[in-house]
Amino acid sequence: GAVVSQHPSWVICKSGTSVKIECRSLDFQATTMFWYRQFPKQSLMLMATSNEGSKATYEQGVEKDKFLINHASLTLSTLTVTSAHPEDSSFYICSARDVSGNEETQYFGPGTRLLVL
Amino acid sequence: DAKTTQPTSMDCAEGRAANLPCNHSTISGNEYVYWYRQIHSQGPQYIIHGLKNNETNEMASLIITEDRKSSTLILPHATLRDTAVYYCIVRPNSGYALNFGKGTSLLVTP
Repeated sequence: GAVVSQHPSWVICKSGTSVKIECRSLDFQATTMFWYRQFPKQSLMLMATSNEGSKATYEQGVEKDKFLINHASLTLSTLTVTSAHPEDSSFYICSARDVSGNEETQYFGPGTRLLVL
Repeated sequence: DAKTTQPTSMDCAEGRAANLPCNHSTISGNEYVYWYRQIHSQGPQYIIHGLKNNETNEMASLIITEDRKSSTLILPHATLRDTAVYYCIVRPNSGYALNFGKGTSLLVTP
């Protein structure tokens, strides 16, 4: 299947700082990427839909000013957690939509583990 | 998206076939059945998807009932590395995010 990468794979930061997470589709172009987060022992929860060249669409309860999403190219979307707090500690996962075949498939990155101290 | 129901957990002996069921009785005509799995501390991995015909790839087979109200993912020869949470997701094949339920935690034992 297609490959999606994320960077960094893990990050530890101090409360109040901002953290940027990158999501790249390595062998296909993705006009749409999705950002999820996963708390321990829970399932993935969709945070936002990132569309290349336009504003992201956020799920209810997700603050757009806190979780800044930029999808400036067909292979890169970034999620910036601004003024991070300990409750933002989570596993952040992106997926990218591959429409190059007859049917659409979404591929996931390996995830970024964020720990806010 | 249609709701899916999966058993919370299952066990399977290494080398045996693992059959993971999924109920999706409210599936619509334009909705596909997708299967992903998540190995501990990793991102979900795509396994297979289908609309109404049975599908097979190098990882698994997907059997969809004729009325499309349920499906079964088959891992023909389970290995220890297949231990993971398996998610059955139903959604239209165009542009939508995947809504993850709780999935089935599959434990493959030696």
